[in-house]
Amino acid sequence: GENVEQHPSTLSVQEGDSAVIKCTYSDSASNYFPWYKQELGKGPQLIIDIRSNVGEKKDQRIAVTLNKTAKHFSLHITETQPEDSAVYFCAASNSHTGNQFYFGTGTSLTVIP
Amino acid sequence: DTAVSQTPKYLVTQMGNDKSIKCEQNLGHDTMYWYKQDSKKFLKIMFSYNNKELIINETVPNRFSPKSPDKAHLNLHINSLELGDSAVYFCASSPYRGDTEAFFGQGTRLTVV
Repeated sequence: GENVEQHPSTLSVQEGDSAVIKCTYSDSASNYFPWYKQELGKGPQLIIDIRSNVGEKKDQRIAVTLNKTAKHFSLHITETQPEDSAVYFCAASNSHTGNQFYFGTGTSLTVIP
Repeated sequence: DTAVSQTPKYLVTQMGNDKSIKCEQNLGHDTMYWYKQDSKKFLKIMFSYNNKELIINETVPNRFSPKSPDKAHLNLHINSLELGDSAVYFCASSPYRGDTEAFFGQGTRLTVV
């Protein structure tokens, strides 16, 4: 099965700085890579996703890059704000075998005002 | 208006008891899941159902039994609760495709004492 690794497990940045979270996956058949944000006491919510036919995707301050050859993908948050503080999860899925999301181990991001 | 709702939000019970967690989605999705999130925030899939049929059953003790009366509901019944079952349990749903997001419920925090 798929194995998704995520680093770092904790990350602290000053408000306004950038944050980068990296994930690697093992199954070359995986072709969908969502990123979820989980705030305290809530369920994970999708913030951005990328499919394997795309190398980069951006949505305002958030961007995701995908390197299929190296089997890794990254989340980039620019101009961080205190409300970005949360746990972030990457995931990988294979659309050809239906939905089974394999999650990374999570990154606890703290943005210091 | 809640897309994926699960009840109860909190559940405190004694070892050896049997309890159920209910989940309902109003998104018209074909696939529903149960995830377990432990104290380290790891999100691990337990079960996946597509149109009321079990398609994924990870290594979960048979004390856990999911039941899907229709494709909008996936309930989780747990027999003979143990201390190690304490965790947050998330229900989620998605279309039966591997390239679209899964929507998560708010979670049920189960504490076994």
